[in-house]
Amino acid sequence: SQTIHQWPATLVQPVGSPLSLECTVEGTSNPNLYWYRQAAGRGLQLLFYSVGIGQISSEVPQNLSASRPQDRQFILSSKKLLLSDSGFYLCAWIRGPPAKDEQYFGPGTRLTVT
Amino acid sequence: GNSVTQMEGPVTLSEEAFLTINCTYTATGYPSLFWYVQYPGEGLQLLLKATKADDKGSNKGFEATYRKETTSFHLEKGSVQVSDSAVYFCALRAGGFKTIFGAGTRLFVKA
Repeated sequence: SQTIHQWPATLVQPVGSPLSLECTVEGTSNPNLYWYRQAAGRGLQLLFYSVGIGQISSEVPQNLSASRPQDRQFILSSKKLLLSDSGFYLCAWIRGPPAKDEQYFGPGTRLTVT
Repeated sequence: GNSVTQMEGPVTLSEEAFLTINCTYTATGYPSLFWYVQYPGEGLQLLLKATKADDKGSNKGFEATYRKETTSFHLEKGSVQVSDSAVYFCALRAGGFKTIFGAGTRLFVKA
């Protein structure tokens, strides 16, 4: 069966510090991978998605970036965090190529920028 | 473009009350429709889905029917429990790379 991991689970970082969040998927190959952000009490904002190694599509211009160094690994980064980067970050996957199947979500990372 | 509209919350119910959360969509073609649930501090979990018109998805006492004529996928449960307190998201996929989510509806169930 497929499993998706995210770490860390929680993170408190000062403004201006770097960020690295990691997501890995087990039990499938060549998934489409996604990063979402959820502000407190709000809906989901799609940040990035990837259809393959090294292929990243950005949905919202901001100070975040994403990379996919391996087939089942997806990393979200920032060089300098802003207060507005606080939120709940969710990684998700869906089997590729584009289909009408459901997405599977990780447990999320709670980021607080102070 | 494709979109999902769901009723604004929060919805507050007493235990054993009937639940309806409305969801309507706009999409070209024949999308798959989903309801996801998010418990506090957790990621989203698939609650149920339907892939074609008149399909009924069901799980854990929740049901939703894919109504193409009214472009709706309303979530219902006959008797809610305190443990059903969560945020519920309606969503669709129409074959592209993205899932289109509604804004979410928060449900509070009081004992």
